[in-house]
Amino acid sequence: GAVVSQHPSRVICKSGTSVKIECRSLDFQATTMFWYRQFPKKSLMLMATSNEGSKATYEQGVEKDKFLINHASLTLSTLTVTSAHPEDSSFYICSARDLAGGPGYNEQFFGPGTRLTVL
Amino acid sequence: GNSVTQMEGPVTLSEEAFLTINCTYTATGYPSLFWYVQYPGEGLQLLLKATKADDKGSNKGFEATYRKETTSFHLEKGSVQVSDSAVYFCALGGSQGNLIFGKGTKLSVKP
Repeated sequence: GAVVSQHPSRVICKSGTSVKIECRSLDFQATTMFWYRQFPKKSLMLMATSNEGSKATYEQGVEKDKFLINHASLTLSTLTVTSAHPEDSSFYICSARDLAGGPGYNEQFFGPGTRLTVL
Repeated sequence: GNSVTQMEGPVTLSEEAFLTINCTYTATGYPSLFWYVQYPGEGLQLLLKATKADDKGSNKGFEATYRKETTSFHLEKGSVQVSDSAVYFCALGGSQGNLIFGKGTKLSVKP
């Protein structure tokens, strides 16, 4: 089956530093990847849609200068949390859609998530 | 706009009990419907899906039927196990290939 990896799985950083999270589709090509944020006991909040070779589309209320997204290839998207602060501590999850599914194909394959803790 | 409403949790059951987690949706057209499961500390895994009315998705003993007339996609399992303890998310497919999630229902199964 389709596998999506995330790295790192857990990161602890100091306030003011930047953290990069990688999302890779291991056995399929993904034109579109999605980045979610999950707070404790809350549902997933879509942060942005990442399209290969173009700028990401951010959801309302998400600061694009703070959460930098790059989708440089069909198998890799990165999320960089810039100048992280304690309120950015959260569980970040990425997902990817299989290119072979065609436009409008909704099934997404999720990474295992990255636990970010900002001290 | 499109939205998903699922029953509030947490749901606590004894092993071998019957499970129902209600999910209803609001959407234009006929979106695909999904159930995802999230085990503690992990990402989401697709549990089952249905792409058109009257389709029944099933996996690992779980079932859900796409009911257009009641705009529902309730998740059921006849006999839950401790290992089924997780958070379950109902979702519908948006027109842009995105997913719209419900708020999640936490299930705890006691031995």
